[in-house]
Amino acid sequence: VQLVESGGALVQRGGSLRLSCAVSGFTFSTYSFFWVRQAPGKGLEWVSYISPSAERTYYADSVKGRFTVSRDNVKNSVYLQMNSLRDEDTAVYYCARIPGSWTTDYWGPGTLVTVSS
Amino acid sequence: QSALTQPPSASGSPGQSVTISCTGTSSDVGGYNYVSWYQQHPGKAPKLIIYEVTKRPSGVPDRFSGSKSGNTASLTVSGLQAEDEADYYCSSNAGSNHLVFGGGTKLTVL
Repeated sequence: VQLVESGGALVQRGGSLRLSCAVSGFTFSTYSFFWVRQAPGKGLEWVSYISPSAERTYYADSVKGRFTVSRDNVKNSVYLQMNSLRDEDTAVYYCARIPGSWTTDYWGPGTLVTVSS
Repeated sequence: QSALTQPPSASGSPGQSVTISCTGTSSDVGGYNYVSWYQQHPGKAPKLIIYEVTKRPSGVPDRFSGSKSGNTASLTVSGLQAEDEADYYCSSNAGSNHLVFGGGTKLTVL
């Protein structure tokens, strides 16, 4: 099982960025996923959830209306489109597999997003 | 949804036991048996060590155990070892299809 995030970068305040999470080693289309972030030196913060067929997506209040989660069950990838980025969105962003019960079992190594003016 | 409350730090000597608390409300910890605990070493991704309050994933030593009473969940690490020094986070389903994490506890092995 492997999850690898990519797409992190230095972006200007108000800008946009799209993160990707490529997965392998299991049947991608049967699992839900979280995006979780961690600001430098801070704790974990849940960002978003997507169900196996993308019929259900949920967001933390702090990103609702600005971030959009999606997936491609052919490319075995999950995405996080981030718009109207703010300084407080600066963090390492992780994708994580959900085996059930609102928990996770496998995480990627994370990708760093830095928002700066 | 507010973050769950964890003590910022905890410590113990090798071989001792330490318990880390995670306090929420009846809308999260107290309302669901979906509390998880994660261990995170510096520069690494979090690792699941407890799920559904008390269950251990395969490969996690039985020195790690979880429990819950009312709105407070707890993680106990028995027989402390040097490699247990890490940050620990709890999480819970918070209703309305949200997940909430605790603020994290830095465990020091003296």
